[in-house]
Amino acid sequence: AQSVTQLDSQVPVFEEAPVELRCNYSSSVSVYLFWYVQYPNQGLQLLLKYLSGSTLVKGINGFEAEFNKSQTSFHLRKPSVHISDTAEYFCAVSEDTNAGKSTFGDGTTLTVKP
Amino acid sequence: GAGVSQSPSNKVTEKGKDVELRCDPISGHTALYWYRQSLGQGLEFLIYFQGNSAPDKSGLPSDRFSAERTGGSVSTLTIQRTQQEDSAVYLCASSFSGGPSYEQYFGPGTRLTVT
Repeated sequence: AQSVTQLDSQVPVFEEAPVELRCNYSSSVSVYLFWYVQYPNQGLQLLLKYLSGSTLVKGINGFEAEFNKSQTSFHLRKPSVHISDTAEYFCAVSEDTNAGKSTFGDGTTLTVKP
Repeated sequence: GAGVSQSPSNKVTEKGKDVELRCDPISGHTALYWYRQSLGQGLEFLIYFQGNSAPDKSGLPSDRFSAERTGGSVSTLTIQRTQQEDSAVYLCASSFSGGPSYEQYFGPGTRLTVT
């Protein structure tokens, strides 16, 4: 069965600093990986996704993530964060054999301080 | 175009009462999902509808929870005899297809408080 672990529940950073939000998954079959963002008082929206091909995936708002199959990781990065990036970030995985059912991590709260 | 909508946005109910939560998916999306998001926790899968196939109910926490999807569009999640532990944000999502590579589009959620 698939599972997702987001290693940090809270990540505080200063504005313009780089950030990495860590995500590890467990699965025995091919997977698709997603990062969603939930801004305060808003619904979740897709940030980026890995389906196949290049392991470095670029998303909206300057975020990118790298799929590492050997380490079963899909860490999210941004070289320079803004105050507006303050939000909760969810990593999700769906298996090739499991229709559309995705498993979500517990989320990482990113707080960007001035 | 319109996104996923949910109603009500907030619901306060007394323990033991029944509640109905509604979800309107994006037009043309064949897959619909319900999740529960408790405070400080991730999304807990509840139920998944794909076209005319039998729904995947494997995430429903008890027989007090049920959901239906009429005409392949609107969905209603019903919680009978609500308990305080049912308090959470209930999220609905839809996707173009039920395949695992398709992203999900989420509604704003219904915040349920059981007193």
